[in-house]
Amino acid sequence: GAVVSQHPSWVICKSGTSVKIECRSLDFQATTMFWYRQFPKQSLMLMATSNEGSKATYEQGVEKDKFLINHASLTLSTLTVTSAHPEDSSFYICSARFPREGGYTQYFGPGTRLTVL
Amino acid sequence: GESVGLHLPTLSVQEGDNSIINCAYSNSASDYFIWYKQESGKGPQFIIDIRSNMDKRQGQRVTVLLNKTVKHLSLQIAATQPGDSAVYFCADHPGDDKIIFGKGTRLHILP
Repeated sequence: GAVVSQHPSWVICKSGTSVKIECRSLDFQATTMFWYRQFPKQSLMLMATSNEGSKATYEQGVEKDKFLINHASLTLSTLTVTSAHPEDSSFYICSARFPREGGYTQYFGPGTRLTVL
Repeated sequence: GESVGLHLPTLSVQEGDNSIINCAYSNSASDYFIWYKQESGKGPQFIIDIRSNMDKRQGQRVTVLLNKTVKHLSLQIAATQPGDSAVYFCADHPGDDKIIFGKGTRLHILP
């Protein structure tokens, strides 16, 4: 099946710094990728939809200036958490849209654990 | 607003028994549902899907049932194994756009 990777798998940073997370589709081109955030023992919450070559679409309540998304190529989307604070500590998961019979499905990456001290 | 939710947060099942995980949805226009399995510290893994024009779909050891009348779907896992321990999410996938995840049910396998 299609493979989506994320880098890094975990990161620890100091409060106030910025952190970049990469999401790559390894064996297919993805014009659309999605970014999710998951707090402990909770479900995945969609943050934004990343479209190659255009601006990301953010879900209600997600600060676009804090969570910068860049989808510069058909295989790479990046999420930058700017001026990170402890409340931004979470599990960040990306997915890539993949064509299937009758439409599309999504393949998910392994996630990135962000801890802000 | 519209949401996809699960009845029970935790389910404990004896190894070898069948597991049934339930899910309710509220959007009557929903026509495509997916079950995902998420192991600790990993991303969601696709298990099985079903369209609204079907009542039942079977995979390897898994079956999904859809009852559109009461807006309910379930995931049945046959002969539950230790490797089935995970959190299971039902998800609503309207059209080709975003996937909306339910709250999740943690499945514990008892030895």
